[in-house]
Amino acid sequence: DTGVSQDPRHKITKRGQNVTFRCDPISEHNRLYWYRQTLGQGPEFLTYFQNEAQLEKSRLLSDRFSAERPKGSFSTLEIQRTEQGDSAMYLCASSRTTGTGNTIYFGEGSWLTVV
Amino acid sequence: DAKTTQPPSMDCAEGRAANLPCNHSTISGNEYVYWYRQIHSQGPQYIIHGLKNNETNEMASLIITEDRKSSTLILPHATLRDTAVYYCIDTANSGGSNYKLTFGKGTLLTVNP
Repeated sequence: DTGVSQDPRHKITKRGQNVTFRCDPISEHNRLYWYRQTLGQGPEFLTYFQNEAQLEKSRLLSDRFSAERPKGSFSTLEIQRTEQGDSAMYLCASSRTTGTGNTIYFGEGSWLTVV
Repeated sequence: DAKTTQPPSMDCAEGRAANLPCNHSTISGNEYVYWYRQIHSQGPQYIIHGLKNNETNEMASLIITEDRKSSTLILPHATLRDTAVYYCIDTANSGGSNYKLTFGKGTLLTVNP
């Protein structure tokens, strides 16, 4: 499978704990994105990397959230001191810049439940 | 806020063509229209995108009006597995950014046997 890979697919954690999600983008895709989706809503943009540089962060990304892409390949999204409101599906996506638009491919998502 | 407008739901009979409309009245010259779909509990799946011309791939066809203010996604022979929420996205919603896709609520397409 050469798609975007996310791990773990499901995580249940207690409020106050830290969680980390990993994303492996499609090979040779230089752009990587994190989105969040809550029940009944469309995905919302969180942050974006071009290679290893984090170029934009949404105001949705509070100080408890941190994303890294240290070598321009895989990325991690860490949530510290989780709150019940963090319960959502966290989607990773990747793309390669071309001259005909920027087709973004999503992974299957990581479901987080904070209890 | 600039938004695309889609009907909240549509039904289609299996084997028939599904035509999903979208209005994107604020789109400008160099902004693309993207279509994604999301089957329950899965990540969004890219379908097709276009700028000015009509586009076709193995999944669907995209018809864009001459003024580019609206488009129609066509699934030529809908199957039960095409039941999903379909999102029409134009990059005008993201200030022209082609990486910060802004999803609305989409259209829930239900394909009936």
